[in-house]
Amino acid sequence: GIQVEQSPPDLILQEGANSTLRCNFSDSVNNLQWFHQNPWGQLINLFYIPSGTKQNGRLSATTVATERYSLLYISSSQTTDSGVYFCAVVSMRAGTALIFGKGTTLSVSS
Amino acid sequence: DAGVTQSPTHLIKTRGQHVTLRCSPISGHKSVSWYQQVLGQGPQFIFQYYEKEERGRGNFPDRFSARQFPNYSSELNVNALLLGDSALYLCASSRPGGYEQFFGPGTRLTVL
Repeated sequence: GIQVEQSPPDLILQEGANSTLRCNFSDSVNNLQWFHQNPWGQLINLFYIPSGTKQNGRLSATTVATERYSLLYISSSQTTDSGVYFCAVVSMRAGTALIFGKGTTLSVSS
Repeated sequence: DAGVTQSPTHLIKTRGQHVTLRCSPISGHKSVSWYQQVLGQGPQFIFQYYEKEERGRGNFPDRFSARQFPNYSSELNVNALLLGDSALYLCASSRPGGYEQFFGPGTRLTVL
């Protein structure tokens, strides 16, 4: 099945710093979503971005489907950005299940 | 509009027992999916239902079953609980013809 790899696994930042999270996937996709999981376990939708570029405030994302990767940019990070960021995809070849990467754990300190 | 809702929030069971978890999708969404997330891992797909029919099943044993009701809500049942079933169980819904999934707050199951 499709493989999803996220990097880096862990990221430690000072408040105000910028960061880039990467997601590589091994096959063509119908869907790519970025999520932020808060300390209570809730998965918060950040972007639905199977291709192209989107921006939402301090966050933006770019997916280059032909090269099978996506990037999540966080600018001017805040302590509330801390948590786990997941990339998840739906393979074009196999069903509608979201396949998740292992996540990037972001810690932002003041 | 209300988001995806799940009940209960937390649950403690002992090995061998049975558990039922419930999920109500966002209004207008007809597809419900279930995921299991163990500590330190990303969520893993268990089931997807659309219009009350199973549309996909992940690599989980037959102890796991689910169903979808006419109002599009769903139940996940797990029989003969094992310690390894302790996890956060997440439900997601999506609109007809859409791929984007929206998640509920989850049910945290502890098996002792």
